[in-house]
Amino acid sequence: EVQLVQSGAEVKKPGESLKISCQVSGYSFTSYWIGWVRQVPGTGLEWMAIIYPGNSDTRYNPSFRGQVTISADKSISTAYLQWSSLTASDTAMYYCAKYGNNAYFDYWGQGTLVTVSS
Amino acid sequence: DIVMTQSPDSLAVSLGERATINCKSSQTVLHSSNKRTYLAWYQQKPGQPPKLVIYWASTRGSGVPDRFSGSGSGTDFTLTISSLQAEDVAVYYCQQYISSPPTFGGGTKVEIK
Repeated sequence: EVQLVQSGAEVKKPGESLKISCQVSGYSFTSYWIGWVRQVPGTGLEWMAIIYPGNSDTRYNPSFRGQVTISADKSISTAYLQWSSLTASDTAMYYCAKYGNNAYFDYWGQGTLVTVSS
Repeated sequence: DIVMTQSPDSLAVSLGERATINCKSSQTVLHSSNKRTYLAWYQQKPGQPPKLVIYWASTRGSGVPDRFSGSGSGTDFTLTISSLQAEDVAVYYCQQYISSPPTFGGGTKVEIK
């Protein structure tokens, strides 16, 4: 059974750094792209970035390039999304999700709620 | 970026009746060389992550009931729920994946009348 298990909710202050995680099981982590999708409360879905854990190749949505960093640790089948300096506009639910055989997401994590507030 | 526009924003359908959701892309999502249509649909129930319903415009995802069907070509697409069940109450999103970055529609909320 494919599972993507994300780290827990975070409450941070503006300017702080953060790294959230997504540990997968049930499939070959290094054989499929995995990415992150943002959902601001009450709004739609935004594709942020993806990584191919097999060779660490990355792709970013230009809207998020420079704002976040995607990474992966093959040894523990875990993908990460990190911020160096959060702002209030980063408050959202973040989902990790696995690509199928093309750029659609066939499995999703449960979501990590990030709240940035002074 | 390709803009995905869904309609209506919300609809209320009686149990057992048909629900139809539309999605229009600003550019074709039909690949000229392989003739595949790069369009997916997702279902998001309250408090849950999205779930893949349809990919390649008309292929059902794993475990998706056959009352869900996808159709369309080029720039105009439809998700149809042939006989609405209570468990189908959700927001539905279309997504194109022919062009990077992949983009989603704004969502259509389906409720019971």
